[in-house]
Amino acid sequence: AIQMTQSPSSLSASVGDRVTITCRASQAIRYDLGWYQQKPGKAPKLLIYAASSLQSGVPSRFSGSGSGTDFTLTISSLQPEDFATYYCLQDYDYPLTFGGGTKVEIK
Amino acid sequence: QVQLQESGPGLVKPSETLSLTCTVSGGSISTYYWSWIRQPPGKGLEWIGYIYYSGSTNYNPSLKSRVTISLDTSKTQFSLKLSSVTAADTAVYYCARRVATAPKDYYFDYWGLGTLVTVSS
Repeated sequence: AIQMTQSPSSLSASVGDRVTITCRASQAIRYDLGWYQQKPGKAPKLLIYAASSLQSGVPSRFSGSGSGTDFTLTISSLQPEDFATYYCLQDYDYPLTFGGGTKVEIK
Repeated sequence: QVQLQESGPGLVKPSETLSLTCTVSGGSISTYYWSWIRQPPGKGLEWIGYIYYSGSTNYNPSLKSRVTISLDTSKTQFSLKLSSVTAADTAVYYCARRVATAPKDYYFDYWGLGTLVTVSS
């Protein structure tokens, strides 16, 4: 199975900060990577698919980049509603595998 | 608006079979991959498997020997059965709709609210 390594596992940031989360795949996965946001007690929500395509309705402060093995999720200006846990998911090969998650907390 | 809703027992005894159903409303079953994903308390997400609207399935090898996913198109429902459960199977179970359209549209766009299943005697 393809392993997805996310970093950092947690971070503290302030409203307005630029935040970057990375995900590394154990083998090349083209651009078949998505980013999901999960708030406590809620289901994950799709933010980005195909590494850089913004899901409809998601604010433009979220962006994704990368291909092959290294990917990045960037929040350009962190808003109060963005404090959550973020997961990457490789959709290149089965079994589908998630990263371990990055918890974004308020500084 | 597409909605997914999980249903089933919240408590299952060790060695028994966990059974959950996901009811899909507001959209068609066709052309999508219907998946189950779980999340142990305080931990990350694990993909369990999917069933395509045609009936083909694909399971996570880590669970393959114990998992069955089935589809009832007449009721727009799909179901999960996980046999021989242990405490390690305690988790929130989500059903989700997966889009898989080449060359690059692969993602889970709709999720159920999730249901906590506890394995305990």
